Amino acid sequence: NSKVIQTPRYLVKGQGQKAKMRCIPEKGHPVVFWYQQNKNNEFKFLINFQNQEVLQQIDMTEKRFSAECPSNSPCSLEIQSSEAGDSALYLCASIQGPAEQFFGPGTRLTVL
Amino acid sequence: QQKVQQSPESLSVPEGGMASLNCTSSDRNFQYFWWYRQHSGEGPKALMSIFSDGDKKEGRFTAHLNKASLHVSLHIRDSQPSDSALYFCAASEHRHNRIFFGDGTQLVVKP
Repeated sequence: NSKVIQTPRYLVKGQGQKAKMRCIPEKGHPVVFWYQQNKNNEFKFLINFQNQEVLQQIDMTEKRFSAECPSNSPCSLEIQSSEAGDSALYLCASIQGPAEQFFGPGTRLTVL
Repeated sequence: QQKVQQSPESLSVPEGGMASLNCTSSDRNFQYFWWYRQHSGEGPKALMSIFSDGDKKEGRFTAHLNKASLHVSLHIRDSQPSDSALYFCAASEHRHNRIFFGDGTQLVVKP
């Protein structure tokens, strides 16, 4: 069973508010991914890290999204000014070696 | 354009029956394929990986890959109600790269 920990499980914000979520990858997994899954179950890749360095990221429109994976601390994803369209399930996944990505349970963000 | 297309969108099979899910990719750079399963309220969990042409069997699950046609399938024999979930086909160019997911197949196994 995956041991990727995501907090909080549910997050409710008003439009314009900051929304921050955290992820602790499986122990020993150096590569971490963030995905957004919308209400239609469509996945959108956001960013991935190897240790603390960004490997790939999408062009986060308006730069409202920021993410980091500091050493010895949880990884985090923050939306600076939440919009209704940001309401989604945010999934963190980690990987070690040539294997499948292990996903956490996600943070369900609702922007009112 | 969606890089990974799945069919059908939804599938209903009786308990003990065979469920067949299909997936086609439009990107010949994809080398690695997975099937993920997601139950309501949970994150996706990898069911099977398949990287070489041919069949791969794990218990009741069999995956088939044809890289020439970029087609992947998943067959679940002796389907159980606990198999009811959303199934995603996923692909990537390299093992540490981002995964491209299909839109999912909602499987319902009726007792």
